[in-house]
Amino acid sequence: GAVVSQHPSWVICKSGTSVKIECRSLDFQATTMFWYRQFPKQSLMLMATSNEGSKATYEQGVEKDKFLINHASLTLSTLTVTSAHPEDSSFYICSASGGNSPLHFGNGTRLTVT
Amino acid sequence: DAKTTQPNSMESNEEEPVHLPCNHSTISGTDYIHWYRQLPSQGPEYVIHGLTSNVNNRMASLAIAEDRKSSTLILHRATLRDAAVYYCILRDVRGYGGSQGNLIFGKGTKLSVKP
Repeated sequence: GAVVSQHPSWVICKSGTSVKIECRSLDFQATTMFWYRQFPKQSLMLMATSNEGSKATYEQGVEKDKFLINHASLTLSTLTVTSAHPEDSSFYICSASGGNSPLHFGNGTRLTVT
Repeated sequence: DAKTTQPNSMESNEEEPVHLPCNHSTISGTDYIHWYRQLPSQGPEYVIHGLTSNVNNRMASLAIAEDRKSSTLILHRATLRDAAVYYCILRDVRGYGGSQGNLIFGKGTKLSVKP
């Protein structure tokens, strides 16, 4: 079945540094990928929609200059958390769909900013 | 997307069937009913989806009411590995594969399985 790979699975960084998270569709091409964020004991919240070859679409309240999204190919989208702060600590999850099929999710990236 | 309503939590005994209900009274004709589950510290995992007819796969069965205003996810024999949060989500088929194809997650049902 369709597989979405996300890397790294966890990362610890110092406040003020930037962190890049990769999301790959392994056996299908995805023109659209989605990035979610999940705080402890809460549900997933959509952050942005990543479109191959064009700018990402951000949900209300999500800073596009802080959460940089690049979708340079049909199998790779990256999310860069710039100048990370402790309040950015969260579980970040990407998802993708290959046409008329259900969305599949990566295993998430646990970000801890110290 | 239309809204769904699920119980906050449910308990089950291992090896017994589990019926997880979902109400979606405002479902539209182009909404598919999707079920995902999320184990601790993992991304959501696709379980099953359907439109009108009942569906079966290796993981579960999906029973859809005739008026489509409710559905039930059936795990035939619960195992400890089935303990997770189960999300019932409506997704408009017209958004498949496109930028409108994201899923809107509610709070889901936290399923506990007792040995």
